Amino acid sequence: SQTIHQWPATLVQPVGSPLSLECTVEGTSNPNLYWYRQAAGRGLQLLFYSVGIGQISSEVPQNLSASRPQDRQFILSSKKLLLSDSGFYLCAWSVRTVFDEKLFFGSGTQLSVL
Amino acid sequence: AQTVTQSQPEMSVQEAETVTLSCTYDTSENNYYLFWYKQPPSRQMILVIRQEAYKQQNATENRFSVNFQKAAKSFSLKISDSQLGDTAMYFCAFMKETSGSRLTFGEGTQLTVNP
Repeated sequence: SQTIHQWPATLVQPVGSPLSLECTVEGTSNPNLYWYRQAAGRGLQLLFYSVGIGQISSEVPQNLSASRPQDRQFILSSKKLLLSDSGFYLCAWSVRTVFDEKLFFGSGTQLSVL
Repeated sequence: AQTVTQSQPEMSVQEAETVTLSCTYDTSENNYYLFWYKQPPSRQMILVIRQEAYKQQNATENRFSVNFQKAAKSFSLKISDSQLGDTAMYFCAFMKETSGSRLTFGEGTQLTVNP
């Protein structure tokens, strides 16, 4: 069965420090991968998505970047964190079949920038 | 661009009763999908129900059902026989047929089921 791993679960970082959040998927190949962010008490906003290795699309201009060095690995990064980068970050993956496409979420990372 | 609006930030219901959560959306697309996701205190996102826009029949999943009104761009979620475990934030989401799983989410409705 497919599983998605996202770590760390909680992270507290000072303003100006770098960031690296990692997400890996097991049990599937060539998934579409996504990074969503959820601000406190708000809905989810799509930040990045990837349809293959090295292929990254950004949905919103921001202080963050994403990379996909391997088929089932998706990394969210920042060189210098801002206070506004605080939030709950969710990695997700999807695979399209003949019948439909389903999206599965990881357990999330709560990032607090102080 | 698509927008999704959930006009009820908070709702409460008594255990075993029925509650309906509202969602409206705006799009110029004709083919799309609509979803309801549940986010319990664990913050795990859980798919509750999915509706294809080309289907006139409303989707149902056990105690969960939707009222999909395509012309009105309305997509409400009905929870029957509410249980304590239904307490969660509920998000309505929209996806264009051609956009993969790039979802646009509403702001959410916090549902509390009272014993």
